[in-house]
Amino acid sequence: AQKVTQAQTEISVVEKEDVTLDCVYETRDTTYYLFWYKQPPSGELVFLIRRNSFDEQNEISGRYSWNFQKSTSSFNFTITASQVVDSAVYFCALSEAGGRGSTLGRLYFGRGTQLTVWP
Amino acid sequence: SAVISQKPSRDICQRGTSLTIQCQVDSQVTMMFWYRQQPGQSLTLIATANQGSEATYESGFVIDKFPISRPNLTFSTLTVSNMSPEDSSIYLCSVRTSGREQFFGPGTRLTVL
Repeated sequence: AQKVTQAQTEISVVEKEDVTLDCVYETRDTTYYLFWYKQPPSGELVFLIRRNSFDEQNEISGRYSWNFQKSTSSFNFTITASQVVDSAVYFCALSEAGGRGSTLGRLYFGRGTQLTVWP
Repeated sequence: SAVISQKPSRDICQRGTSLTIQCQVDSQVTMMFWYRQQPGQSLTLIATANQGSEATYESGFVIDKFPISRPNLTFSTLTVSNMSPEDSSIYLCSVRTSGREQFFGPGTRLTVL
């Protein structure tokens, strides 16, 4: 079965601190995709990154970085030098790449982590 | 990427009525999905909107309550029927692009009184 676990419900940091959001997943598929989304208070879901299961290279985009470790089934997200605008709920999600007909591509979401960055 | 619009952005409805939410994408996509996000919760898949055939519903969601149309590759509607306060949620349309990325519309905030 597919499952995404975000054990941290809420995290509070002070501006300029680094913060890591944890994501652990379960799947029986050998090929899958992992995603991170940001949901600010306005409610829209902002796509941040997609990672293929066969590409374990870490990725950096500005202050954001992602650490994908297949051995531990984790896909953690780090924000460096956090800012108040980073305050949001962050969701980790999993999508299978296998041929399952019309449900191919559906996302399995974690419960989300509420990040609050204080000035 | 894909640009997705949803209408209405929010609505307040009376119990027992129905609301139809529209989702428009700026490019043709194969896969379109409808998700629900109840207050303070994560996202739950309602159904996959299939072009030219009936939608595929997840466990706990039925066509009579959430009828879906997908007349072409850029448009879909979700109707929330016979609404009750428990249907108060954000409803989000999502698309999967050929590049395997998945984008979401801005959502429809529904409040049922």
